[in-house]
Amino acid sequence: EADIYQTPRYLVIGTGKKITLECSQTMGHDKMYWYQQDPGMELHLIHYSYGVNSTEKGDLSSESTVSRIRTEHFPLTLESARPSHTSQYLCASSRREGLQETQYFGPGTRLLVL
Amino acid sequence: KQEVTQIPAALSVPEGENLVLNCSFTDSAIYNLQWFRQDPGKGLTSLLLIQSSQREQTSGRLNASLDKSSGRSTLYIAASQPGDSATYLCAVGYPQKLVFGQGTRLTINP
Repeated sequence: EADIYQTPRYLVIGTGKKITLECSQTMGHDKMYWYQQDPGMELHLIHYSYGVNSTEKGDLSSESTVSRIRTEHFPLTLESARPSHTSQYLCASSRREGLQETQYFGPGTRLLVL
Repeated sequence: KQEVTQIPAALSVPEGENLVLNCSFTDSAIYNLQWFRQDPGKGLTSLLLIQSSQREQTSGRLNASLDKSSGRSTLYIAASQPGDSATYLCAVGYPQKLVFGQGTRLTINP
């Protein structure tokens, strides 16, 4: 069973507020990812990190920012939330083992911006 | 552009039936292909991972096949149960990223 956690699980917040979505994993994985998923739609990669002090933008443009100061934490921040940010945000981590690399996903954070 | 398509978008079958979910991808230069399960309000659970050099993988009642040359994968579920109800996602592994399909929402009726 994967040990990757996300908080909060659900968040309802007003426009203009600053929010941080937390993601942590206890598996010692170097790689971590943030995906955005709208209802009924596919997951889109918005940020990823290959290790401490490494962050890259994904395929889908996002106004959010991320940081990777510690291996186990990969928080995502929105400086000023807008209704267009309403979505589900999924965090994942992975480690290559030989030829295999499996991503383990957290439970997700459902964000509603009013 | 690397695209992944899953058909059907939704499927409802009686308990006990065998069923097949389909996934197709446009760029066949893949590293691997994964099938995930997503329950409402929860994250993704990896079901099966097929390397690009493999043709199929099996886990219990699940069997996933891969035909890289034609850009297709199938997930076969035998003797379906109500607990199999969930959304099933296909994800194709390329260098540095996974590309997901939109998923098939499966409902197994008791």
